[in-house]
Amino acid sequence: DIVLTQSPGSLSLSPGERATLSCRASQSVTSSYLAWYQQKPGQAPRLLIFGASGRATGIPDRFSGSGSGTDFTLTISRLEPEDSAVYYCQQHGNLPFTFGPGTKVDIK
Amino acid sequence: QVQLQQSGSGLVKPSQTLSLTCAISGDSVASNSAAWNWIRQSPSRGLEWLGRTYYRSKWYNEYAVSVKSRITSNPDTSKNQVSLQLNSVTPEDTAVYYCARAKGAGGYYGMDVWGQGTTVTVSS
Repeated sequence: DIVLTQSPGSLSLSPGERATLSCRASQSVTSSYLAWYQQKPGQAPRLLIFGASGRATGIPDRFSGSGSGTDFTLTISRLEPEDSAVYYCQQHGNLPFTFGPGTKVDIK
Repeated sequence: QVQLQQSGSGLVKPSQTLSLTCAISGDSVASNSAAWNWIRQSPSRGLEWLGRTYYRSKWYNEYAVSVKSRITSNPDTSKNQVSLQLNSVTPEDTAVYYCARAKGAGGYYGMDVWGQGTTVTVSS
């Protein structure tokens, strides 16, 4: 199974700042089948990024994804209060699909 | 607008069967460009993919090895839904269960629509 490691485990930033979240895979992710999700308490995960860098429908352009192979990054360029959530990466190129443990983003 | 509505038992006794249904509106369970996934989430295991069902000229099911001997995911074209059964449950199966749609070849476009989640507790 592909193990995904996310860092940092948590971060606390102010509105307007930039957040950089990392996702590292234990082996190369097939054809960049790497997605990012946002989850708020009591809600289902929400798709932000697919194919490592494609923005899902309705996602603001302050969210961007990059990377390939084993190293991927989610960047939130200008944090807003509603961005407070846990962010997960997921690889869906190799079975079984796996998720990272998440990065909790807190907005001060 | 695609929506997934989950239903099923929230309390299951150990050794019994967990049964959930995911009713699909705005898309077809037999779509050639979608796959219907089951994912669960618990504090101890995080987000865990359990399996998926999809139609590409015939029906396919793929399951996680961790539950493969106990899981069944079945489509119901007459009701446009997919169902999950997990046999011989233990307290370790206590989690929030989600169904989710993935679009594109191999689900390339990610899981873009999720059900509301069902909290399942395994307890006597």
